[in-house]
Amino acid sequence: KAGVTQTPRYLIKTRGQQVTLSCSPISGHRSVSWYQQTPGQGLQFLFEYFSETQRNKGNFPGRFSGRQFSNSRSEMNVSTLELGDSALYLCASSPYTGTSETDTQYFGPGTRLTVL
Amino acid sequence: AQKITQTQPGMFVQEKEAVTLDCTYDTSDQSYGLFWYKQPSSGEMIFLIYQGSYDEQNATEGRYSLNFQKARKSANLVISASQLGDSAMYFCAMREGGGAAGNKLTFGGGTRVLVKP
Repeated sequence: KAGVTQTPRYLIKTRGQQVTLSCSPISGHRSVSWYQQTPGQGLQFLFEYFSETQRNKGNFPGRFSGRQFSNSRSEMNVSTLELGDSALYLCASSPYTGTSETDTQYFGPGTRLTVL
Repeated sequence: AQKITQTQPGMFVQEKEAVTLDCTYDTSDQSYGLFWYKQPSSGEMIFLIYQGSYDEQNATEGRYSLNFQKARKSANLVISASQLGDSAMYFCAMREGGGAAGNKLTFGGGTRVLVKP
């Protein structure tokens, strides 16, 4: 089974621009979560989508948004980029069987975003 | 307060020896899950092992085992017979709540492990 894929792998943008990152989950997985990883703040949860609905949201400004399509693929968008948005953005998928105790998230390789 | 604390920012371990990575957590939920992930320099997070709050036995997966002490709220990862390929960052993470709470993981700050030949 193919793993979680993320595109693009690397991205360079300038302040004020917007960016869209894409994530394709493992086949059959219905839950997709996004995380931001920076040296200063570590790994932080952005949001989770399940069945095209945002189920959880982390403590990030409204510039960060996402969506999920009917095939479970997900995109996240960051508008009006700031220097502090430079980070590794990780997407994770899980099957969400409903028995959360065994619901493991599997991560993609990440998109490294640099904001100049 | 930190929900997940990893007190060892970095450590060296000799090849073929065992190493224990510390993780303590803080939650008031009765139902939660604890995870360990490995992150090589390439950046991808690799799932290693899982322990549920109701699991009575410590989880094991190959060379990885989890020393779960619920009363002390600790979930230490033990890597036996270290290999050079084990050099990486290791993260402890927790998911709180039951199924309705969804899939939000809270991560610790990580421990960098360097295996020496």
